[in-house]
Amino acid sequence: AQSVTQLGSHVSVSEGALVLLRCNYSSSVPPYLFWYVQYPNQGLQLLLKYTSAATLVKGINGFEAEFKKSETSFHLTKPSAHMSDAAEYFCAVSKGSARQLTFGSGTQLTVLP
Amino acid sequence: GAGVSQSPSNKVTEKGKDVELRCDPISGHTALYWYRQRLGQGLEFLIYFQGNSAPDKSGLPSDRFSAERTGESVSTLTIQRTQQEDSAVYLCASCPGGRNYEQYFGPGTRLTVT
Repeated sequence: AQSVTQLGSHVSVSEGALVLLRCNYSSSVPPYLFWYVQYPNQGLQLLLKYTSAATLVKGINGFEAEFKKSETSFHLTKPSAHMSDAAEYFCAVSKGSARQLTFGSGTQLTVLP
Repeated sequence: GAGVSQSPSNKVTEKGKDVELRCDPISGHTALYWYRQRLGQGLEFLIYFQGNSAPDKSGLPSDRFSAERTGESVSTLTIQRTQQEDSAVYLCASCPGGRNYEQYFGPGTRLTVT
């Protein structure tokens, strides 16, 4: 069974600092990987996705993630945090005929002024 | 609208009552998913519809949960004899299908069982 682990349920960074949100997956076959963001009282918005093309994936709002098969990781980064980045971030993996997403437990990002 | 819509946005019900949640997917999207998000947790897959195929119900937590979808349009998720542990945000997502794996999420229905 596939699973997703997000290290750190809460991450705080200063405005302008590097954002690094960690995600590791377990899968016996190459998965499709996603990062979603959820702002308060809103639905999930897709940030970026990996579907076996380029291992470095660029998404919206300056975020990017790198697929590392040897480390089974798909960490999310952004060079410089903005106050508007404060939200909850979910890593998810999809495979199988139904393509349902298996989500990590989420990481709440706080950006300090 | 262009996105996935869900109704109601909030629902408060008494334990033991039945509730029905609605999802309007993006027009033309062949796949539709229901997920549940409990407070402070990630999303749990509930059920998946693809076109006119039999739905994948493998994520439904009990037989009190059921869902229907007519063709590639509206879906309803029904919870019978609600329990307090059913309190959660129920999210619907639709997907174009084919080689496009992106799921587009609705704003969710917050269900509170008192």
